[in-house]
Amino acid sequence: RKEVEQDPGPFNVPEGATVAFNCTYSNSASQSFFWYRQDCRKEPKLLMSVYSSGNEDGRFTAQLNRASQYISLLIRDSKLSDSATYLCVVSGGFKTIFGAGTRLFVKA
Amino acid sequence: GAVVSQHPSRVICKSGTSVKIECRSLDFQATTMFWYRQFPKQSLMLMATSNEGSKATYEQGVEKDKFLINHASLTLSTLTVTSAHPEDSSFYICSAVRDPYEQYFGPGTRLTVT
Repeated sequence: RKEVEQDPGPFNVPEGATVAFNCTYSNSASQSFFWYRQDCRKEPKLLMSVYSSGNEDGRFTAQLNRASQYISLLIRDSKLSDSATYLCVVSGGFKTIFGAGTRLFVKA
Repeated sequence: GAVVSQHPSRVICKSGTSVKIECRSLDFQATTMFWYRQFPKQSLMLMATSNEGSKATYEQGVEKDKFLINHASLTLSTLTVTSAHPEDSSFYICSAVRDPYEQYFGPGTRLTVT
């Protein structure tokens, strides 16, 4: 079993749609959780951290369920510019594990 | 946000030669830096953890004698791919940790071994 697993994708959605990504992790001792965005041939960029209480940043909402070892990212009112690969990232101490990523295509 | 640079951004080398990639944290000191490799359409795979002043910690399956890591200062870590082969062609990305735990990525180095 992979340490971090994500929805395989790709997700193809129209502009304005709401899309949700899921991620599960296997190490219950994991301490920090993030969603990164990666554009083609570019380095990953931090989208948002994920907290147990859930957090929201504009159109993006992230949630963490420690009991189920599950992380989610919700994107509302999708924009063309949201097209990218979204990486679920889990870390424990100084070890960071990236999920394989979920590709999102937003179409006009 | 913090800035991490990598040099070179792109390199083409012949099989059997060695290539050095530099990772610098430009506006903060980083005790810990990470080196990742990313093959096309795949996620980042952690290769090693580089700690300033000590030996790097390599992930399982990563040859430490082939991928030499040196973290000689708090702002610089280097990855040297020795005796490169075509299968080493990949996108190499470093990240630097700003305490307590903020990770910033470099722009990556695309290595092509011919």
